[in-house]
This record gives sequence, C-alpha cells and structure tokens, in this order.
Amino acid sequence: EPEVTQTPSHQVTQMGQEVILRCVPISNHLYFYWYRQILGQKVEFLVSFYNNEISEKSEIFDDQFSVERPDGSNFTLKIRSTKLEDSAMYFCARTSGTNSYNEQFFGPGTRLTVL
Amino acid sequence: GENVEQHPSTLSVQEGDSAVIKCTYSDSASNYFPWYKQELGKRPQLIIDIRSNVGEKKDQRIAVTLNKTAKHFSLHITETQPEDSAVYFCAASGNSGGGADGLTFGKGTHLIIQP
Repeated sequence: EPEVTQTPSHQVTQMGQEVILRCVPISNHLYFYWYRQILGQKVEFLVSFYNNEISEKSEIFDDQFSVERPDGSNFTLKIRSTKLEDSAMYFCARTSGTNSYNEQFFGPGTRLTVL
Repeated sequence: GENVEQHPSTLSVQEGDSAVIKCTYSDSASNYFPWYKQELGKRPQLIIDIRSNVGEKKDQRIAVTLNKTAKHFSLHITETQPEDSAVYFCAASGNSGGGADGLTFGKGTHLIIQP
C-alpha cells in the first residue's frame, strides 16, 4: 500500500508562532486523519477529513488548530500561536482507499519542537 | 466518548515464549479494533485488526481475540523473537455515519524480548 508522505520531518518554532504541517497523499485515498503523540505517551486523535470537509474532531482540536486541502492534493494542519505543550510528533494517516474504511496507515510523522 | 485501557504497561518475556496484551473499551458502539506496533522513533504500524462481527483472527504468529460482551480484546504473540521488541498499542473506533471514525488508543505496552 502506498503511504502518505509528510513534510517537514522536523519543525522547530518559537512559542507563539504559527506552523503548518503537510501531508501528501500518493493516490486517491478517501479519509485523512491527524494524530499527535507527545513523547513517551499514547497516540491521540485530532481530526478526520473527508471530501474536503472535517468529518470528526476531538476535544483537543480547538480553535488553535485548523485543517484544509488548499490545492486538492496536500492536506495541511495549521497550529496557531504554538505553546510549549504542542511539542509532539504529528502523524497524518489515511484509509486504504477501498471498502476497508477503518484501516488506517500512518505517515512518517513531523516532529514539532516549540521553544 | 470512548476510553481504552491497556495492560500491562511493560511486559518482559523470554525469546520463544508467548506474550499477551489486554485491552478494554467503554463504548459498546465501537466495532473496529486494530493493533499497532511502534518501534523507537518510528510511525505506528498496523499489524492486525478485528471487527466486531468476529471473535478471533490470526496471522502467522499473532492473533487477536474479541469479547464484545465483556468489551475486551487481546493480542497474542507466539514464539516471540527479538524483533518483536517494541511498543504495542491497541485502539478502538466506530464507523458512524458511513465514515471511518478516529481511533482511540490505549497507553501502550512496552514488550521486551529477553534473549
């Protein structure tokens, strides 16, 4: 199964700055997801995206976060006014693009460090 | 919302022995239960999953069982090998509205295979 790619692999930013994390699908995947994983902790769901709209979002996904697919290809997660506690790995995931809606495959992740 | 509990947090077994990791979930509407393996610094990788219409699924040395009544599911790894050492996460989700819900993860089990 072709995977998504994510850029950048590592992002360092100053507290209060905005960051944009990108996920690039390989083929016609149906659903996209963003998850985060604080170092040493579990993976946490942020948001799912289908047909250019948010399908579901968690309590973590507040007004600080937004997602969009600006050019119909790349899928972005924007974090406004970053805080120290936003430091984490951010993973994009996608479903298989077939009838197996549930199977989610993770990209390599972006490590976000907020100083 | 869904809550997934996972035990144990650390499991050390001798090479060649079996390992069992257990999870419970709270939302009876959940119907999809994947297991992910995460090596240090890498992405979570889907290794096996089970849906609520089956009780057991096996793939070579790994198997998963599901007890819907008790709301628990388990991962079984037989004939463990050094390369099985990793953190294993269980997860649960529903499939509401025809789409794929975000996954709720357990806190992970650090599996250590002793040579």
